[in-house]
Amino acid sequence: SAVISQKPSRDICQRGTSLTIQCQVDSQVTMMFWYRQQPGQSLTLIATANQGSEATYESGFVIDKFPISRPNLTFSTLTVSNMSPEDSSIYLCSVESGGLGETQYFGPGTRLLVL
Amino acid sequence: SQQGEEDPQALSIQEGENATMNCSYKTSINNLQWYRQNSGRGLVHLILIRSNEREKHSGRLRVTLDTSKKSSSLLITASRAADTASYFCATVMEYGNKLVFGAGTILRVKS
Repeated sequence: SAVISQKPSRDICQRGTSLTIQCQVDSQVTMMFWYRQQPGQSLTLIATANQGSEATYESGFVIDKFPISRPNLTFSTLTVSNMSPEDSSIYLCSVESGGLGETQYFGPGTRLLVL
Repeated sequence: SQQGEEDPQALSIQEGENATMNCSYKTSINNLQWYRQNSGRGLVHLILIRSNEREKHSGRLRVTLDTSKKSSSLLITASRAADTASYFCATVMEYGNKLVFGAGTILRVKS
């Protein structure tokens, strides 16, 4: 199994500002995933991040709002740009354990509140 | 839109009782997975069942899959207060590689 850490664990931000969330894995992985979980809701995939290529975004999410970096096989960042209160959510990163469509391991999440 | 729908939305039981949660989905799948989330924290993988499997066990967990009805159920036997959490099913579509999560069931086990 993979051990995943995220920073920060929580933050309170002012509208119009940006926040970068870091995700660190204890082993090299090909694909990393970023999810959003709005209050009281389920998880929605934002994008898939492969090392060495641009992230692939899901419908409804755009690179200008959620730029992602993937500089190496153990690290990724997600930036939430020009935040509004609607961005208040838990943001989670995950990695796959053994191939496409298999078990995913999740980080502890970053709880974001935008005022 | 989410692939899976779960019911009930919330379930409250006494310690020692069994808890059953159901998940329905819309398209053909490669596999279906169940996850647990404690208090808005990270998700923990519980069990994965493939489209050609009908039942799977892991400790106190029993998962069934009925591909003809496009549904799955998660049974937790002899529940404990520590089982209090949100439970999500997630599907991987046939030839797909992404998890699509259901709405989740909030389970409360009272001691």
